[in-house]
Amino acid sequence: RKEVEQDPGPFNVPEGATVAFNCTYSNSASQSFFWYRQDCRKEPKLLMSVYSSGNEDGRFTAQLNRASQYISLLIRDSKLSDSATYLCVVNGANAGKSTFGDGTTLTVKP
Amino acid sequence: ETGVTQSPTHLIKTRGQQVTLRCSSQSGHNTVSWYQQALGQGPQFIFQYYREEENGRGNFPPRFSGLQFPNYSSELNVNALELDDSALYLCASSLDRWTEAFFGQGTRLTVV
Repeated sequence: RKEVEQDPGPFNVPEGATVAFNCTYSNSASQSFFWYRQDCRKEPKLLMSVYSSGNEDGRFTAQLNRASQYISLLIRDSKLSDSATYLCVVNGANAGKSTFGDGTTLTVKP
Repeated sequence: ETGVTQSPTHLIKTRGQQVTLRCSSQSGHNTVSWYQQALGQGPQFIFQYYREEENGRGNFPPRFSGLQFPNYSSELNVNALELDDSALYLCASSLDRWTEAFFGQGTRLTVV
């Protein structure tokens, strides 16, 4: 079993749709969590950190469920420019190991 | 404030050769992490350097080694290159070991 697992998708949604991604992790002692987006053949870019209380940034909402060991990302009112691969990242109990999921591909269509 | 920069952007090497990739961290960041990303996969953690010391390592063989310098820039060295080492190599810097990381544009290595 992988340490961090994501549904690879692809998710194909129309503009304006709401879409949610989940990511599960196996190490219950993990310390910090992030979502990144990666465009084709580009470097990952930080989308948002994920906090236990949940956090929102415009159309994006991230949540952490420590009991069930998953994090989620909700995108509301999808735009064409949201098309990308979304990567979740889990930082280990011992600082110094970041584990990425393999990413979920989102395509937003007109 | 300059971001993370990596050099070179592209590289072609022959199997068995050695390669050194370089990374300049973002101003004020003392932590650098290196990743290998194969096509269709997420970045795989190679190792992290914090204040010039290796602070964590992923499942990569010893022929992958690194350095961090007093200015917090970093190098990734790979010896005895294999065909499977062909990938995008990403460097990321962060303010500290647990905080969010910011990536350079990557070095695309092809081993032939």
